[in-house]
Amino acid sequence: DTEVTQTPKHLVMGMTNKKSLKCEQHMGHRAMYWYKQKAKKPPELMFVYSYEKLSINESVPSRFSPECPNSSLLNLHLHALQPEDSALYLCASSRGPRGSSGNEQFFGPGTRLTVL
Amino acid sequence: GNSVTQMEGPVTLSEEAFLTINCTYTATGYPSLFWYVQYPGEGLQLLLKATKADDKGSNKGFEATYRKETTSFHLEKGSVQVSDSAVYFCALNRDDKIIFGKGTRLHILP
Repeated sequence: DTEVTQTPKHLVMGMTNKKSLKCEQHMGHRAMYWYKQKAKKPPELMFVYSYEKLSINESVPSRFSPECPNSSLLNLHLHALQPEDSALYLCASSRGPRGSSGNEQFFGPGTRLTVL
Repeated sequence: GNSVTQMEGPVTLSEEAFLTINCTYTATGYPSLFWYVQYPGEGLQLLLKATKADDKGSNKGFEATYRKETTSFHLEKGSVQVSDSAVYFCALNRDDKIIFGKGTRLHILP
């Protein structure tokens, strides 16, 4: 299995809703990532988990809350989002550990989030 | 700091034309370099990579050579196809953080 899966594929939520995005990989990778991608822009790094511990938070607002329950799963909990948070949310994984710059990241297909 | 600069698009070519997308980088130390491709409505796929100077990455007819002296990693393909239409991102990896260029949208006309 050489893929990263993400659910749901599409999500529409109101500003008062609470929802979660899910990401899963079964490649034995020990680093997992959340990115946000706006239209016609490159992905922007949000969070990095290395060996199930949060290692990088790129000053992301607290209305985004990541969670790594085990080495295969990564969640992103969403609460009180704003319309400007509408974007494609991409999950990625890599062999890790931190400092192995030759390791490429494998990306999932993304969740397209719309906040009304 | 670390950064990647790639040519602005969109780039429009006819099928079977030669493709070059320029990419230069600024980085401390010796980063690994990547080209990722994003097809419409999809996530990013790794197209090719190079981890040290003079390495050549290649895949699906695409090639790029890690040039340390010019800090470049230009993407080339000898004969493009309509199915190559996508957005191409040049990127570098330092300490587990990928720095992306702004992306180049490629349109191939039949």
